[in-house]
Amino acid sequence: DAGVTQSPTHLIKTRGQQVTLRCSPKSGHDTVSWYQQALGQGPQFIFQYYEEEERQRGNFPDRFSGHQFPNYSSELNVNALLLGDSALYLCASRGTGRNTIYFGEGSWLTVV
Amino acid sequence: AQSVTQLGSHVSVSEGALVLLRCNYSSSVPPYLFWYVQYPNQGLQLLLKYTTGATLVKGINGFEAEFKKSETSFHLTKPSAHMSDAAEYFCAVSSGGGADGLTFGKGTHLIIQP
Repeated sequence: DAGVTQSPTHLIKTRGQQVTLRCSPKSGHDTVSWYQQALGQGPQFIFQYYEEEERQRGNFPDRFSGHQFPNYSSELNVNALLLGDSALYLCASRGTGRNTIYFGEGSWLTVV
Repeated sequence: AQSVTQLGSHVSVSEGALVLLRCNYSSSVPPYLFWYVQYPNQGLQLLLKYTTGATLVKGINGFEAEFKKSETSFHLTKPSAHMSDAAEYFCAVSSGGGADGLTFGKGTHLIIQP
């Protein structure tokens, strides 16, 4: 049983560019959340998707957007990248009515 | 709004000694509480969680935590530290019956001295 999988694992982008990160939830899970973890900090909640809609959002600007597909996989898009967007982006999933959240290994984004 | 405070960004213990990592939370509704561990260059692994019921919860790798509502605390303990316990530990809180996004503390780096 595969856990939460994310791609790519590492990437480097230039300021002003756009990036798309991808996530496949754990088998049987239908709710996907994204977190940003800056170096030396705890993860911060970006948003959560369920039934292909954004259900909850943290304190992140509109440059951060997402999508969930019918197969429950998800994408995180960040536009107009800033140096401060450099971080580990974590995807997490859980099943309906479940409160145990499983995390992927993350995607390391470096903005130069 | 909810928040988590982890006291001590770094904690150092000797191998075989008691591990105590402190976590205090604030939440306007009954909280669901979690401890996660993160090894270098890896994602987060769930150690244990408190939802409802028994306030002393046991997790993986010999860790346990006790929910104390009166103290708004959820401290993590392990009777005897092992070198493999060296990692970053995060306490997190969720409301909405655990359906809401997690709010994390800033983490505590656990160092194990031989």
